Amino acid sequence: KQEVTQIPAALSVPEGENLVLNCSFTDSAIYNLQWFRQDPGKGLTSLLLIQSSQREQTSGRLNASLDKSSGRSTLYIAASQPGDSATYLCAVPNAGGTSYGKLTFGQGTILTVHP
Amino acid sequence: DTEVTQTPKHLVMGMTNKKSLKCEQHMGHRAMYWYKQKAKKPPELMFVYSYEKLSINESVPSRFSPECPNSSLLNLHLHALQPEDSALYLCASSQREYNEKLFFGSGTQLSVL
Repeated sequence: KQEVTQIPAALSVPEGENLVLNCSFTDSAIYNLQWFRQDPGKGLTSLLLIQSSQREQTSGRLNASLDKSSGRSTLYIAASQPGDSATYLCAVPNAGGTSYGKLTFGQGTILTVHP
Repeated sequence: DTEVTQTPKHLVMGMTNKKSLKCEQHMGHRAMYWYKQKAKKPPELMFVYSYEKLSINESVPSRFSPECPNSSLLNLHLHALQPEDSALYLCASSQREYNEKLFFGSGTQLSVL
């Protein structure tokens, strides 16, 4: 059974810092990995989707990397801003069995960027 | 249009009420999902529709009844809910069912009294 862990659970940084969020998964047989952002009481916004054949994806100040063999992904946020404050979740689809394709989410990292 | 629209945004209902949540997307996606999310927890999958047919029911109690009238619409009918069903209900869609980027709506915050 796939398990996804995110470290740290919470992070508070001053504006302007570069930061790294970590995601690890137990079953390396994944098709892709998605990073989401969620603001309080709102839905999830997909930030980046990395295919299993890719090592990195970039969007603006965000860069996500994937190391399938070690079961790790990182989300790098450059020059953080207060507007980046949110919960960040990573998720991977199950690769087989009766739950094929079903996303397994991490518990999330709550990010606070203070001015 | 890259939006998934959910209505209503907030809903308060009694345990004897019947209500419905609605979800709409116009991205041509053929897979649509209902998720339930409790505070400070990740979303939990409830149902998946693929090409307007129910593909996955994650052993959800029958007081939740999904419906997919067409490829753009998804409903969740609620009846005789319990206070523990209070949560944020999220709709999502993707091009196809498996291994695709998910687009989420902003959710319906449901309170059951």
